[in-house]
Amino acid sequence: QAVVTQEPSLTVSPGGTITLTCGSSTGAVTDGHYPYWLQQKPGQAPRTLIYNTSNKHSWTPARFSGSLLGGKAALTLSGAQVEDEAEYFCLLMYSGARVFGGGTKLTVL
Amino acid sequence: EVLLVESGGGLVQRGGSLRLSCAGSGFSFSDHYMHWVRQAPGKGLVCVSRIKTDGSFTTYADSVKGRFTISRDNAKNTLYLQMNSLRDEDTALYYCAVMSPGVDYWGRGTLVTVSS
Repeated sequence: QAVVTQEPSLTVSPGGTITLTCGSSTGAVTDGHYPYWLQQKPGQAPRTLIYNTSNKHSWTPARFSGSLLGGKAALTLSGAQVEDEAEYFCLLMYSGARVFGGGTKLTVL
Repeated sequence: EVLLVESGGGLVQRGGSLRLSCAGSGFSFSDHYMHWVRQAPGKGLVCVSRIKTDGSFTTYADSVKGRFTISRDNAKNTLYLQMNSLRDEDTALYYCAVMSPGVDYWGRGTLVTVSS
């Protein structure tokens, strides 16, 4: 089974910009992997922020955006807020099966 | 209101079996792929299994292949996960979820604890 890689932890200052990435052991991440980005806060179920590379749900704050960057999926947070402190998981599709990355713990400090 | 309610978790001995259920309401259950996602204590998410709308296509994480079986009953709006030959590493909170374009529903999870 493919391995999906993410930065284990990142820190951003309030108001700052940061990019989280999501790589695949099989090679470059493409739109065909239908990248998802999920946010999980302590004690809560995850929720999807971005689906199919760059599409947002109605509840996704405008400061989050998704893209492909340098062979990886990327989640960019522009203008970080304290409430964005959470764990972020990417999710890729491989022949119909979905595989999560290990998650990135984002600290806003 | 959309609800996904998982049940069937509990304490089970190593090598034992459990059947999880997930009852959906407030949305068109039969129109969506359904997922079981688990999270071990303090760990990340794992997509355990996925099933197509009519049950004709399923996928499993390598770690559960041959031991777990996903199924659904669209008439009852219910998703199932039959878990056999349980191992210590299967201890986790098991969520059922819909993750589709424009749609994202999650239950609160049911806890499975495997002990020796």
